Amino acid sequence: DIQMTQSPSSLSASVGDRVTITCRARQGIGNYLAWYQQKPGKVPELLIYSASTLQSGVPSRFSGSGSGTEFTLTISSLQPEDVATYYCQKYSSAQWTFGQGTKVEIK
Amino acid sequence: QLVQSGAEVSEPGASVRISCKGSGYSFNRYFVHWVRQAPGRGLEWMAITNPSGGSTNYAQKFQGRVTMTRDMSTNTVYMQLGSLRSDDTAVYYCARGATWTSGWWDYWGQGTLVTVSS
Repeated sequence: DIQMTQSPSSLSASVGDRVTITCRARQGIGNYLAWYQQKPGKVPELLIYSASTLQSGVPSRFSGSGSGTEFTLTISSLQPEDVATYYCQKYSSAQWTFGQGTKVEIK
Repeated sequence: QLVQSGAEVSEPGASVRISCKGSGYSFNRYFVHWVRQAPGRGLEWMAITNPSGGSTNYAQKFQGRVTMTRDMSTNTVYMQLGSLRSDDTAVYYCARGATWTSGWWDYWGQGTLVTVSS
């Protein structure tokens, strides 16, 4: 199975900062990648699918890019409500695999 | 939405069954995934089931321990995990997917905490 590696595992940034999270696949997965946000004590929610398509209702400060083996989730201007753990998910070949998560906090 | 059954406490070696009831959409046109999250840990995919035909696909780690059933009269799927161990303590989620071999998950259940303890 293809492993997904996220970096960093955690970060602390100020309100208004640009935040970037990277997800790498051990082998190419095309654009079969989604990003989820899980706020503390809550259920994960879909942010982005097909590597760069924003789910309906998700604020436009979130964006995704990449294909093949390297993907990026960007928050253009960090807000207090963005405190959460973010997971990438690879979905292909009937196997679904998550990265280990990136915890985002406010400095 | 997807609504799951309540928290469970089970002993090591026992089995637990969790339900996931869909509403507000055509239940037989989507697939249901099961994923779990141990305390303070990440997300781990377990299985996918087709509510319409009953077919299932399991992550290799869970093959032989997970059984999926469904009741189409109530739009409910069930996930049974057997031979429980302490490291099965986790929140178990069901989630909706659109395709059998691929695809993201747009709706999730609220989660069911399973505690394995003697």
